[in-house]
Amino acid sequence: SQTIHQWPATLVQPVGSPLSLECTVEGTSNPNLYWYRQAAGRGLQLLFYSVGIGQISSEVPQNLSASRPQDRQFILSSKKLLLSDSGFYLCAWSTNRGLDQPQHFGDGTRLSIL
Amino acid sequence: KQEVTQIPAALSVPEGENLVLNCSFTDSAIYNLQWFRQDPGKGLTSLLLIQSSQREQTSGRLNASLDKSSGRSTLYIAASQPGDSATYLCAVILRYNFNKFYFGSGTKLNVKP
Repeated sequence: SQTIHQWPATLVQPVGSPLSLECTVEGTSNPNLYWYRQAAGRGLQLLFYSVGIGQISSEVPQNLSASRPQDRQFILSSKKLLLSDSGFYLCAWSTNRGLDQPQHFGDGTRLSIL
Repeated sequence: KQEVTQIPAALSVPEGENLVLNCSFTDSAIYNLQWFRQDPGKGLTSLLLIQSSQREQTSGRLNASLDKSSGRSTLYIAASQPGDSATYLCAVILRYNFNKFYFGSGTKLNVKP
């Protein structure tokens, strides 16, 4: 069966520090991968998605970047964190067989910027 | 631009009640709609996915309906239990914007024993 792992589960970082959140998927190949952010009191916002290695689409301009160095690995990064980067970050995957495939989410990373 | 709205924002009911959660969307050109559950501090669990050609989907005590023409979906929970307490999110994918989910802000449900 397929599983998705995100780490760390929680993270407290000072303003201006770098960030690296990792997400890996097991049990499937060539998945579509996604990073979402859920700010306090707001809905989920899609940040990035990837349909293949090295292919990244950004949905909103921001202080973050994403990379996909391997088929089942998706990394969310920042060189200098801002206070506004605080939130709950979710990674998700879906199969690439068509639009009718549901997305499956990891447990998330709660990021607090001090 | 697609906007997804969920009403109510919060709901508290006694155990055993049947309840309805509402989701509305502004762009009817959707490909599918998905209902999720989110427990506090956790990721999302997919509950039901409705294709645009379908009118409803059922899984156990859950039933989700879709009316594209009016831009609405409802999630019906029968015989609610304390374990159903969570935030419920709906999300849509548009036909012309592949891979992008538009999420509502959720309904926080509390089922009291």
